[in-house]
Amino acid sequence: DIQMTQSPSSVSASVGDRVTITCRASQGISSWLAWYQQKPGKAPKLLIYAASSLQSGVPSRFSGSGSGTDFTLTISSLQPEDFATYYCQQANSFPRLTFGGGTKVEIK
Amino acid sequence: EVQLVESGGGLVQPGGSLRLSCAASGFTFSSYEMNWVRQAPGKGLEWVSYISSSGSTIYYADSVKGRFTISRDNAKNSLYLQMNSLRAEDTAVYYCASVVVVAAALDYWGQGTLVTVSS
Repeated sequence: DIQMTQSPSSVSASVGDRVTITCRASQGISSWLAWYQQKPGKAPKLLIYAASSLQSGVPSRFSGSGSGTDFTLTISSLQPEDFATYYCQQANSFPRLTFGGGTKVEIK
Repeated sequence: EVQLVESGGGLVQPGGSLRLSCAASGFTFSSYEMNWVRQAPGKGLEWVSYISSSGSTIYYADSVKGRFTISRDNAKNSLYLQMNSLRAEDTAVYYCASVVVVAAALDYWGQGTLVTVSS
C-alpha cells in the first residue's frame, strides 16, 4: 500500500502569510495527487487535482506542485477563511485512495 | 445544484448492522463512480469503498472487506453501504463522494452521517 506523509502536522500563521504544506508518497505516484480543505464539522472540499490543477471555483492563491514522491500545497497569502485542515490524497492506485494525516493551519 | 445527502447513521452495538444511504441529485448519478470515505472522531480521512457507475466493479479497504457491502440503485439515484459485524473502530462520520475520473479525485461530498459503535 502507498503511504502518504504530510508535514508539518500543524502550522501557525498570520493573515497574509505564505504557507507551504508538504506531502510525501512512499513510492512514486507520478502526478496522481489531490489536495482537500476541511473545516470543522464540514465535508472535505477538493482544491487541487493532478498535483497542480486548480478545481473550478477555488481561489488562485492556492497552488500545487510536485511529481513522483514529493508534493507541495502553497497558499500564497493566507486569508481568514483558509484556517482549516488540509489533506493530500494519492490516486496512483485508484480506486484505492490513500490520504495523508492532515495539516492543521491555525491562527498565530 | 449537486447534492449528496447521507442518512442511516446512529448508535449500534458491537457486532450489529447498519445500512447507510446516500441520495444524489443535481447531476446524472448513473454516470458517476462513487465512494464511501470515513473519518473517525478527531482523526484523518480513510477511504472505505468504491463502486463503478454501473455497479459492476467494486473495491473495499482491507479494514472493511468481508463485513461491508457497497451497492447502488441508479433508478433511485441512491448509493448504499451495508455494514455488518460492526466494531468499535468503525465509529466514524461516513461520507459519500463522487469521483472526477480524469483526475481520480473526489469532487462532491455529502455532509456525512455519524456511526457510533458502542455497548
